[in-house]
Amino acid sequence: AQTVTQSQPEMSVQEAETVTLSCTYDTSENNYYLFWYKQPPSRQMILVIRQEAYKQQNATENRFSVNFQKAAKSFSLKISDSQLGDTAMYFCAFMKHTNFGNEKLTFGTGTRLTIIP
Amino acid sequence: EAQVTQNPRYLITVTGKKLTVTCSQNMNHEYMSWYRQDPGLGLRQIYYSMNVEVTDKGDVPEGYKVSRKEKRNFPLILESPSPNQTSLYFCASSLNRQNQPQHFGDGTRLSIL
Repeated sequence: AQTVTQSQPEMSVQEAETVTLSCTYDTSENNYYLFWYKQPPSRQMILVIRQEAYKQQNATENRFSVNFQKAAKSFSLKISDSQLGDTAMYFCAFMKHTNFGNEKLTFGTGTRLTIIP
Repeated sequence: EAQVTQNPRYLITVTGKKLTVTCSQNMNHEYMSWYRQDPGLGLRQIYYSMNVEVTDKGDVPEGYKVSRKEKRNFPLILESPSPNQTSLYFCASSLNRQNQPQHFGDGTRLSIL
């Protein structure tokens, strides 16, 4: 079974600063996918970024980037130039690769990020 | 607009009174899933469906039922709700291909008294 650990329950940072959220996972799989989801106070689950384990290049989406360390089983999210709208709960999630199609997401417990004006 | 729609958004009810939370998607997705979110536990999968008439248990299926009679709908049924099923519930859907991101509904907050 897979497990996902987010060791920072809460973080806060000043607006415009850079913040890094950590995520580690445990799996015996070699092919899998990793995701970061954002949950603002509206409770929606919004996909922020995803990474395929077979890709060495770290994924980037505008101000969001990841540091994927496969050997260390680490998948941190960096938010640059943080904005007030980034205030949310952030979940790291794991999905294993199968030949049968989609699979469940295994989530971490979340990190509540607050951007301070 | 691509959407996963859940109803109701909020519900307060009493122990033992059967309830159904509906989920509908308009993206022709094969894969649908239900998760519950509890403080300190993240989201955990309850049931999932790979396609019409194909459903299977997730990590926490006890006390829940689902059905998938048509592609767009995947209702979650609580036959005899209990207080430990008080939670925030999410329906999600995706194409049944590897790596396809799951699109989530807006959530349903259930309180069982």
